Amino acid sequence: EIVMTQSPATLSVSPGERATLSCRAGQSVSSNLAWYQQKPGQAPRLLIYGASTRATGIPARFTGSGSGTEFTLTISSLQSEDFAVYYCHQYNNWPLTFGGGTKVEIK
Amino acid sequence: EVQLVESGGGLIQPGGSLRLSCAASGFTFSNYALNWVRQAPGKGLEWVSTVSGNGDYIYYADSVKGRFTISRDNSMNTVYLQMNSLRAEDTAVYYCAKKATTGPYNWFDPWGQGTLVTVSS
Repeated sequence: EIVMTQSPATLSVSPGERATLSCRAGQSVSSNLAWYQQKPGQAPRLLIYGASTRATGIPARFTGSGSGTEFTLTISSLQSEDFAVYYCHQYNNWPLTFGGGTKVEIK
Repeated sequence: EVQLVESGGGLIQPGGSLRLSCAASGFTFSNYALNWVRQAPGKGLEWVSTVSGNGDYIYYADSVKGRFTISRDNSMNTVYLQMNSLRAEDTAVYYCAKKATTGPYNWFDPWGQGTLVTVSS
């Protein structure tokens, strides 16, 4: 099983600032990595797939990068609606696995 | 618009059984794999199971293998998760999620709203 490790667990950011979230895979997953956003009481929503491709309707302030074992999700200028929990997900190997999540909270 | 609507959750005693359903609409159902993903209260996401579009390929997480069975009825546009020998640690919101593409890789888009399963005496 590929273990996905996200850091930090919690990120305190002021609105308008940049947020940088990290995800590390225990072995290479190539570019087969997705990011999801989850708000309280809601289902997760796809943000990024293929490590760097934004899903339909996702604003340009969300940028995914990386390959192999190191990945980053950058939110360039945090808006109020971006405060949420973010999960990375590798789909390169079975079993499919998720990171533990990064909570982005208002500073 | 793609829609996934889960049902069948509830309170069940340890050792009991429950069947979840996920009714789909807005896409050619038989062309896409469907997945179940769960989230224990206050915890992260855990993939549970996947069934291919025609039902030929099925995968399970080790934590549910031998206890849970995924199936689909393409005439009813519905995917099921039969859960037997339920344990307290199976308590979670269970989400149905569509494989985003018909290609070889399985990321999830969209997700249903989830159904809560509580295993407790």
